Amino acid sequence: AQSVTQPDIHITVSEGASLELRCNYSYGATPYLFWYVQSPGQGLQLLLKYFSGDTLVQGIKGFEAEFKRSQSSFNLRKPSVHWSDAAEYFCAVGYTGTASKLTFGTGTRLQVTL
Amino acid sequence: EAGVAQSPRYKIIEKRQSVAFWCNPISGHATLYWYQQILGQGPKLLIQFQNNGVVDDSQLPKDRFSAERLKGVDSTLKIQPAKLEDSAVYLCASSLRFSNYGYTFGSGTRLTVV
Repeated sequence: AQSVTQPDIHITVSEGASLELRCNYSYGATPYLFWYVQSPGQGLQLLLKYFSGDTLVQGIKGFEAEFKRSQSSFNLRKPSVHWSDAAEYFCAVGYTGTASKLTFGTGTRLQVTL
Repeated sequence: EAGVAQSPRYKIIEKRQSVAFWCNPISGHATLYWYQQILGQGPKLLIQFQNNGVVDDSQLPKDRFSAERLKGVDSTLKIQPAKLEDSAVYLCASSLRFSNYGYTFGSGTRLTVV
């Protein structure tokens, strides 16, 4: 069964510092990979997605992620964090043939200190 | 375009009572999903509809949960009777078509069972 691991439950960074959130997925052919952000009381907003092609994906709000098949990873990065980035971040995976069903990780809560 | 609408936003009920949630997807979106998000966990798919037919309900606790999608548009999710462990946020999402990962999530309904 497909699965996603986000090893960091909670991360605190200073505003202006760089950020990397880790995500590992279970092995499977042609994974579709996603990062979502959830602010308190809000639904999930898509930051970026990887289907195929260039392994470095650009998303909204200055985020990027890199797909590394050899490490089964899809880590999210941002060079300079803003206080408004404080939220919960979820990595998700889907596979061909699963009819667009997404499996989510448990999330990483990002706290930004001023 | 209008987003995915969900109601109510919050609901508090006693255990063994029944409750219903409503979702109105984006106009023209054929695929609709209900996800359950328990505090501290990532969203988990409960049921997926394609138009008004069920595609996947393998993780729906069918002894107490039921869902329908009226005329392939609006959907309701019902719990009867509720248990304490059903306390969660119930997220509705829709996408344009089957096997399309272009999800749009609603803001969710937060259910507390006491």
